[in-house]
Amino acid sequence: DAKTTQPNSMESNEEEPVHLPCNHSTISGTDYIHWYRQLPSQGPEYVIHGLTSNVNNRMASLAIAEDRKSSTLILHRATLRDAAVYYCILRSGGYQKVTFGTGTKLQVIP
Amino acid sequence: GAGVSQSPSNKVTEKGKDVELRCDPISGHTALYWYRQSLGQGLEFLIYFQGNSAPDKSGLPSDRFSAERTGGSVSTLTIQRTQQEDSAVYLCASITQGTNGYTFGSGTRLTVV
Repeated sequence: DAKTTQPNSMESNEEEPVHLPCNHSTISGTDYIHWYRQLPSQGPEYVIHGLTSNVNNRMASLAIAEDRKSSTLILHRATLRDAAVYYCILRSGGYQKVTFGTGTKLQVIP
Repeated sequence: GAGVSQSPSNKVTEKGKDVELRCDPISGHTALYWYRQSLGQGLEFLIYFQGNSAPDKSGLPSDRFSAERTGGSVSTLTIQRTQQEDSAVYLCASITQGTNGYTFGSGTRLTVV
């Protein structure tokens, strides 16, 4: 399965935008880019996903590079509740083994 | 059910004992996944089921680990002769066609003493 690379940790000030990067240089044409976040003592939860075009939902925005070898999860206004580990994964259609990696631990500073 | 349910939420067991961890996926979800997360680490894939079949068991750490799924619903992860290195949070997730992504349970925290 294709791999993703993320920074181990990032910091953001509260109420400022946060850009969380992810590299996936070996992405295949059928792979969707998914983002999950894991709050302390909870299982991961789905945030957003996309294939080629940028995507927006109530939680975040996803910006996908034109060559699809990288993507950025954008939290428009970080809150303390956004402090979590954010995982970027690749998933094609159907069911298969999916590797989550170690993600980016986001710290939000009041 | 409304979400993925895992039981027990916490389990403390003595080294060498067998344990069973249970996962109740969202009703009707075709696929079910097991992951393991050691303290401060990422998620380690263990196994997934499509229906009752397990196409990929490659993540099971040793032959002490086994899993089954019955009726396309409940799954049980069994660890025999537990070791201290088995201590971790075991997470279960389910998904089906038409859903955006995996729905995870809150996990079972296993401590082997």
